[in-house]
Amino acid sequence: GAGVSQSPSNKVTEKGKDVELRCDPISGHTALYWYRQSLGQGLEFLIYFQGNSAPDKSGLPSDRFSAERTGGSVSTLTIQRTQQEDSAVYLCASSDRDRETTEAFFGQGTRLTVV
Amino acid sequence: AQSVTQLGSHVSVSEGALVLLRCNYSSSVPPYLFWYVQYPNQGLQLLLKYTSAATLVKGINGFEAEFKKSETSFHLTKPSAHMSDAAEYFCAVSAADMRFGAGTRLTVKP
Repeated sequence: GAGVSQSPSNKVTEKGKDVELRCDPISGHTALYWYRQSLGQGLEFLIYFQGNSAPDKSGLPSDRFSAERTGGSVSTLTIQRTQQEDSAVYLCASSDRDRETTEAFFGQGTRLTVV
Repeated sequence: AQSVTQLGSHVSVSEGALVLLRCNYSSSVPPYLFWYVQYPNQGLQLLLKYTSAATLVKGINGFEAEFKKSETSFHLTKPSAHMSDAAEYFCAVSAADMRFGAGTRLTVKP
């Protein structure tokens, strides 16, 4: 596609519910990143995929968080039993790691509000 | 793993004054370095990047950054601030994956 697409753009959920956030990276990009941006905070690294593999999952805040990537393309970030502290903007980015000097391109993010 | 430290969460300058945003990195391998900007209620966009071709990198909107290996720094500068430069600026390092600093909010006073 033309850019990184994330859906939904906004999500309000009740505490304790599960949510799924979707990311469609730029076509052909081998690397995909998930970050979390809380109000007034920086970008917290969550997870990185090279192809369908995630070499480092240590950034996921708790075992309620999981992510997968299929077909080297779409990725979903799942948060189970959501808590109020999960409220944040979740950003996805992709890059072509075969050309390591290229930058990451960001989606517009999913704003998650847990009430 | 690589990491980034941005010194100063908030920087305030007067319009026309020099902008200096500080970034120090840590990486076990030669890194690629980036500065991103996030304008209010907008997504992140690339400002400039260091790819080892030249230590002084020029970006958009008059910004530039200098890679100093001895100081492990990649500070962002602009000679004369404009009101439209008010935004959040993020330094990033790419090695094994891509990590960002905590960000610096730039305020420009008239």
